[in-house]
Amino acid sequence: QITLKESGPTLVKPTQTLTLTCAFSGFSLSTRGERVGWIRQPPGKAPEWLALIYWDDDKRYSPSLKSRLTISKDTSKNQVLFIMTNMDPVDTATYYCGHGYDSFGSSFDYWGPGTLVTVSS
Amino acid sequence: QSALTQPASVSGSPGQSITISCTGTSSDVGGYNYVSWYQQHPGKAPKLMIYEVSDRPSGVPDRFSASRSGNTASLTISRLQAEDEGDYYCSSYTSTHVIFGGGTKLTVL
Repeated sequence: QITLKESGPTLVKPTQTLTLTCAFSGFSLSTRGERVGWIRQPPGKAPEWLALIYWDDDKRYSPSLKSRLTISKDTSKNQVLFIMTNMDPVDTATYYCGHGYDSFGSSFDYWGPGTLVTVSS
Repeated sequence: QSALTQPASVSGSPGQSITISCTGTSSDVGGYNYVSWYQQHPGKAPKLMIYEVSDRPSGVPDRFSASRSGNTASLTISRLQAEDEGDYYCSSYTSTHVIFGGGTKLTVL
């Protein structure tokens, strides 16, 4: 049974850095084919893909946000870390982490419940 | 890359069929076999319904089917049920990242 759960601050001030953790179970991110990604969804809007880290530590970022994003993994703790710098009120959204695997292509077959991050002074 | 284009809303009665379109370009929907569809209920995380254009994950009813023609993908829900009401999003790989559609609100009348 694969589960994921996001954790981190619910309120961030403009210009601050957001750090979120995705704790997962049911798979190992050192196993070939596995990947974990981050997706956000502003209130009432569509999801937006942010970043992805593969089992072999390969990483992909949204081109429009690449300069502000960092994704990393701690295989021993079954965690993926997500960092977004220079937060702005438009970054207010529910942030999800999701599990992917080779056989599912670019999709996420399991998602965490999400964590709402509000950017406000 | 711009978001994929979906109709804002569709509706149907129980037992009927509906189709949701997702239009992109040859650089995304038409260029890769990596089109996915997600269902989302209020306050919940998206749920994967279709991956790789037309494959269903285990546990997704066969009432859900999908296809692609050129740069447009389509999701069809047959024998509509009340529980199918919600938001539906398509997504596609683009060679460097993934983009989502704007979403379609399905109302079951």
